[in-house]
Amino acid sequence: DADVTQTPRNRITKTGKRIMLECSQTKGHDRMYWYRQDPGLGLRLIYYSFDVKDINKGEISDGYSVSRQAQAKFSLSLESAIPNQTALYFCATSDLTSGGVETQYFGPGTRLLVL
Amino acid sequence: AQSVTQLGSHVSVSEGALVLLRCNYSSSVPPYLFWYVQYPNQGLQLLLKYTSAATLVKGINGFEAEFKKSETSFHLTKPSAHMSDAAEYFCAVNSGGYQKVTFGTGTKLQVIP
Repeated sequence: DADVTQTPRNRITKTGKRIMLECSQTKGHDRMYWYRQDPGLGLRLIYYSFDVKDINKGEISDGYSVSRQAQAKFSLSLESAIPNQTALYFCATSDLTSGGVETQYFGPGTRLLVL
Repeated sequence: AQSVTQLGSHVSVSEGALVLLRCNYSSSVPPYLFWYVQYPNQGLQLLLKYTSAATLVKGINGFEAEFKKSETSFHLTKPSAHMSDAAEYFCAVNSGGYQKVTFGTGTKLQVIP
């Protein structure tokens, strides 16, 4: 079974609809992240959480919200979807070793199309 | 502040030829550096990472990267390209502690038969 799972894998929605993307992990990591990937722009950070009680905005958080329901679950919501939120969304987890090196582990992605 | 720059959004090589994907970084402290690979319709997976233990880092699938502080570079190489290496490659930097990882914009590698 995959360590980081995302649901749904594909989603088509209409402008103005509220949608939620879910992420679950079995790696036991405290840190979780949501990124979006757009062609030519690489990965951009939306939100991140260093533990259940800690949630922080990334570089492009406008129009998004998150919920850290448990150590293993981190959900991303689009309150009112718009077409320029069409993208590939990735969830990631990470551990921070005693040497301070952080390695990220990614889910398979959710492809979102907003019409 | 930290950043990475990947030179070339698309690189094409012939099967069996050398693969060279370029990455330059900027960091105010000694960085940790990573290369991730993304195969079509998949998430990113770690290829290799530099953690200051050794400047030449070997990763999976025959890839390696060399940290060159004087050039602020961390280029990815593979002596002989295989068709299965066709993917998008991302360089990333982390300055440690509570710094977040910053990704480059990616380089798509095409391998020509």
